[in-house]
Amino acid sequence: EAGVAQSPRYKIIEKRQSVAFWCNPISGHATLYWYQQILGQGPKLLIQFQNNGVVDDSQLPKDRFSAERLKGVDSTLKIQPAKLEDSAVYLCASSLDQGDTQYFGPGTRLTVL
Amino acid sequence: KQEVTQIPAALSVPEGENLVLNCSFTDSAIYNLQWFRQDPGKGLTSLLLIQSSQREQTSGRLNASLDKSSGRSTLYIAASQPGDSATYLCAVRNSNDYKLSFGAGTTVTVRA
Repeated sequence: EAGVAQSPRYKIIEKRQSVAFWCNPISGHATLYWYQQILGQGPKLLIQFQNNGVVDDSQLPKDRFSAERLKGVDSTLKIQPAKLEDSAVYLCASSLDQGDTQYFGPGTRLTVL
Repeated sequence: KQEVTQIPAALSVPEGENLVLNCSFTDSAIYNLQWFRQDPGKGLTSLLLIQSSQREQTSGRLNASLDKSSGRSTLYIAASQPGDSATYLCAVRNSNDYKLSFGAGTTVTVRA
């Protein structure tokens, strides 16, 4: 069974530029999550989708971050414009349903200069 | 708001020693608790998941206990090996909203 796929693996941009990350969850998983992990901290949930609907985006900085999961399968997370403090690893995870074990992708390491 | 704390932040042991990693959480109304492993530059790998009704889970050399009333979980790794070197994260899922709250992790180094 293929795992959660993410791309790109690494991205370096300058502040005020835009960036987008892509995630393809495990086939059949209804729930998809985006987390932000700053160095030395645990992951923090940014947004959770159930199929193509948003369940929780309470910690998403909506003035600069956006995410979508249009067909209830893969998802994109966008930052526009990026700030220095956005430097982090962005992890995507999926689960069969809410409350089930989450499986994580390898993450995208973002560096904002 | 659920707060998850992991102590110690870092641990270095010689090969063969048993590892004891601690996790505490502030709200005992949990759905389950999960231990993850994270290697440098990689994503998270689930090690063990304990449902709120369970007191422990075992997988090979790993054993995790859960004391929900006191807000504690402990991950034991028997006979540590250099390959066990990684960061171990504890995550608690709340029973009311299923949100997963992570600790900052314990970084383990096993010396050969």
